[in-house]
Formats: sequence, structure tokens, C-alpha cells
Amino acid sequence: EDKVVQSPLSLVVHEGDTVTLNCSYEVTNFRSLLWYKQEKKAPTFLFMLTSSGIEKKSGRLSSILDKKELSSILNITATQTGDSAIYLCATRGGDKIIFGKGTRLHILP
Amino acid sequence: GAVVSQHPSRVICKSGTSVKIECRSLDFQATTMFWYRQFPKKSLMLMATSNEGSKATYEQGVEKDKFLINHASLTLSTLTVTSAHPEDSSFYICSARWVEDYGYTFGSGTRLTVV
Repeated sequence: EDKVVQSPLSLVVHEGDTVTLNCSYEVTNFRSLLWYKQEKKAPTFLFMLTSSGIEKKSGRLSSILDKKELSSILNITATQTGDSAIYLCATRGGDKIIFGKGTRLHILP
Repeated sequence: GAVVSQHPSRVICKSGTSVKIECRSLDFQATTMFWYRQFPKKSLMLMATSNEGSKATYEQGVEKDKFLINHASLTLSTLTVTSAHPEDSSFYICSARWVEDYGYTFGSGTRLTVV
């Protein structure tokens, strides 16, 4: 059965800290792994990863895929209160998109 | 736990016909479900929010007469694309809030192709 598991479920840190969010998956016909940030309405797209070992970076956020370990991490450095959100990991496999339950990140000022 | 089942996963239909997509919460009651459309650049656009027993709330720019949403029970929400056109071809995803103000669980999506 295809599944995506994110950890931790919830994380509270202080502003300025660095956080690492984890995503592991078991997907048939894996095509890509996606990271989203959900605050209010629709999740905001962050990264799409298809190749193992190549880091994608956008400002303070970065992500990397490990196809051997069937996992990905999302790093956020120098966190800010605006980073507080639910971070979703999803994988595309065949016609399906499988989302994890998300990591709820709360940044304390 | 907190599983949303979405069907069909893939559908091809002729232009002018209607297509119904179902989302069921299997092990919890979903008072609120969300319908999204995914664009080629992977962004998700919220189309509408459906609440059990009441009319759906549509986002600006989404035609409510074209995308009919019904949330008749606490475990089932449906999206019907009426008089489908090729430009409606897309990936549609539903999600439900499984813990108030906390978690969302997503369906596995429906790839709609209108020919």
C-alpha cells in the first residue's frame, strides 16, 4: 500500500533555530516528491524533487531526496515566526498523489 | 487512521459530458472538505470548501454552476464537472480536516482528461 509518513507530527522551536522535517515514502512507480507549506487556504508549493542527492534551495529553505532510503528532508534555517505552518510532503506515483499528514511547525518569537 | 478515499483515480470523458468525482472519509467524519485543482507547475488552487449539509463556498473565479459540489453526508463529498471542456483537464484533489484546526488528510487525486 502506498504511503507517506512525515515526522515529527508537531514541532515547536524558537525563532532563529534550524529545523529539519522528515518524509519517508513507499510508492509504486515513484515519479516525484513534493513539499508544500499550508497556512490558510491552499498549500503553497515549495519544491519538487525527482533526482536523488541534488539539493533544491530557496532562500532559507532547502530540500533533498534520497531514493535509496526512500526519504526526503526539508531544512529551514534561521526560522522566523512567518515559517509557522503545516508542512506537507507528497509523492507522485503513477496517477496518484499521496500526501503525508504533515508536520505542524510553530516558531516562538 | 484519517483516510480519505478519492475515486476515480483517472477518467477520460468527451467534451460536453459531465464527470463526478467522489471523496469519502473512511474512518472519521469530515464536516469540511476542500477541493483543489493542481496546475502543471504543481501549485494547488483551492476551488471550494464544502460543509456537510450546506452550500459550498467557492473561491473567486471558480464557476459554481460548472463545478457542482455536494456534501450530503459526513463521509462523502462529490465534485461534478458539468459540460466538461478540454481546458478542464487537470488533476483534482480533495482533502478533509481531520483534527479541528490542525490536520488535513488528502485524497489521492483524480486525473481528468477531456477529449
